[in-house]
Amino acid sequence: GESVGLHLPTLSVQEGDNSIINCAYSNSASDYFIWYKQESGKGPQFIIDIRSNMDKRQGQRVTVLLNKTVKHLSLQIAATQPGDSAVYFCRVGDTGRRALTFGSGTRLQVQP
Amino acid sequence: NAGVTQTPKFRVLKTGQSMTLLCAQDMNHEYMYWYRQDPGMGLRLIHYSVGEGTTAKGEVPDGYNVSRLKKQNFLLGLESAAPSQTSVYFCASSYSGGSGNQPQHFGDGTRLSIL
Repeated sequence: GESVGLHLPTLSVQEGDNSIINCAYSNSASDYFIWYKQESGKGPQFIIDIRSNMDKRQGQRVTVLLNKTVKHLSLQIAATQPGDSAVYFCRVGDTGRRALTFGSGTRLQVQP
Repeated sequence: NAGVTQTPKFRVLKTGQSMTLLCAQDMNHEYMYWYRQDPGMGLRLIHYSVGEGTTAKGEVPDGYNVSRLKKQNFLLGLESAAPSQTSVYFCASSYSGGSGNQPQHFGDGTRLSIL
């Protein structure tokens, strides 16, 4: 079966620094990847997505990088702010399947 | 727009009791899902629906039933609650076209404790 994992369960950064959260996946057929942010007491919130025909996509202060060769996905947050403190999940899917796989999450703690 | 709304937000049950969790979405999404989230674990899919009147099993369907009588509503039922079903339950919805390539929109969860 497919596995989706995260390298670091907790990441602590200083306010203003850049943050990088990683995600590894195992299914080479995966072609769609999403990052979600989950704040305490709330449901996951869509941040950014990327399809397998791209290796980089940028949003507002966030960048997702995809390395299909090593099946690795990362989320970069620029100038991390206290409001970025949350758990971040990657979600891996493919167009041919309805079942999706979520990573277990990385907690990002932003120190003032 | 309210997005995805879950009711109730909290509930405590005794073992053996039954209850229904309600999910409503106002985005006209075809796909709806129920997940459970346990401490230190990712979201696990319980059941999902690809349209009104249809349901399908997910990763952990045992002990749960679902119904999608209206497009905007997706109900999750526990017929005989067990302590192992203590969890936070999230409902989500997405556009049609295959859930594998569309972002899902989540509600804020129902925190359920089974004593």
